[in-house]
Amino acid sequence: GQNIDQPTEMTATEGAIVQINCTYQTSGFNGLFWYQQHAGEAPTFLSYNVLDGLEEKGRFSSFLSRSKGYSYLLLKELQMKDSASYLCAVLDSNYQLIWGAGTKLIIKP
Amino acid sequence: GAVVSQHPSWVICKSGTSVKIECRSLDFQATTMFWYRQFPKQSLMLMATSNEGSKATYEQGVEKDKFLINHASLTLSTLTVTSAHPEDSSFYICSARDPGTGYQPQHFGDGTRLSIL
Repeated sequence: GQNIDQPTEMTATEGAIVQINCTYQTSGFNGLFWYQQHAGEAPTFLSYNVLDGLEEKGRFSSFLSRSKGYSYLLLKELQMKDSASYLCAVLDSNYQLIWGAGTKLIIKP
Repeated sequence: GAVVSQHPSWVICKSGTSVKIECRSLDFQATTMFWYRQFPKQSLMLMATSNEGSKATYEQGVEKDKFLINHASLTLSTLTVTSAHPEDSSFYICSARDPGTGYQPQHFGDGTRLSIL
């Protein structure tokens, strides 16, 4: 079966750095997405990785290792507004998005 | 960037009412749109894939006669919850795949919060 695992909840301090991990086992791979979802709102697109390595976009970076079936989202200089759920999703061989359950990130002052 | 508009954002109605939710891609043509449901503190659950000009593909366990999907144009898909009951109360979100971008990310509407009394 297809499976995406990410921690249920993480806590970090304002101004710090946090890494949210995602491991996946899917039938085929056409890329991995990270989305941010604030409570009561729809997800917003953060990043896309299809090749191994690190993609940096401002305070957010996303890393992919296809051989390990592993990705992480790195958030730097955390702000209170970063408190949200972060969803990892993989595009499988049929171009269907397989969603992880999401990681709830709590930022403390 | 790509924008997906979803309407209405909030619906409160009596049990037995049918509710229609619209999803529009505003600046791109979407041959494929997706309908999700999300219960509180749970992840997104794909209900169906809506294909322009053809029948929607429903996920296992989703009643196609209860959740009617129409994708009549390249910019509009609608989800109708027929004879809604309190257990249908949920957050419904649509998304559209942007074919103009190589990796085709899904862009989401703002969601519709449905409350059935």
